[in-house]
Amino acid sequence: IAGITQAPTSQILAAGRRMTLRCTQDMRHNAMYWYRQDLGLGLRLIHYSNTAGTTGKGEVPDGYSVSRANTDDFPLTLASAVPSQTSVYFCASSPGLGSTEAFFGQGTRLTVV
Amino acid sequence: SQKIEQNSEALNIQEGKTATLTCNYTNYSPAYLQWYRQDPGRGPVFLLLIRENEKEKRKERLKVTFDTTLKQSLFHITASQPADSATYLCALAPSGGYQKVTFGTGTKLQVIP
Repeated sequence: IAGITQAPTSQILAAGRRMTLRCTQDMRHNAMYWYRQDLGLGLRLIHYSNTAGTTGKGEVPDGYSVSRANTDDFPLTLASAVPSQTSVYFCASSPGLGSTEAFFGQGTRLTVV
Repeated sequence: SQKIEQNSEALNIQEGKTATLTCNYTNYSPAYLQWYRQDPGRGPVFLLLIRENEKEKRKERLKVTFDTTLKQSLFHITASQPADSATYLCALAPSGGYQKVTFGTGTKLQVIP
């Protein structure tokens, strides 16, 4: 089934540890995005990528890094996790940045303790 | 600052009635507005888009209105069904790319059989 796959589904992580959230899409979309969703704050953009090899910062990029080595994969890395990074993380993609619709993965629930 | 407001309180309605959800915004000039559905533990799913020069859009039992003077969008579900129970997010986008889309916090709809 075409779509976006995120891994892991959930994770409990000790503060200070490094963690990479994985995201893979098979729709050959150029643009990909990482959001975090927190109660009362809605979805906030962390980083995005217009096409393979390029990335950009969103609203809340601090403490996170991304890479886009190919079209399909867009991993999100927390270099040294802190409790404030406890959240649900969603990866999304769209045909291009000019698209008016994005497709979301099922999310990764991350708890930093 | 830009602000999107959706009713944070859950909306409970009887099956068969029309559900109406509200999205208000301030300090924003969106090129278009979107509505997404989000089920528990899942990512948002795109439902409808309405552009700034459109007053109303319909899709099956869904209807969206957009009043740029009032800075408000209304999302209607007619003949509501228990399967419509979910959280509904509105999202606003200026021109210039999907990375600029801003999401509301969502309203939870519960359709009671």
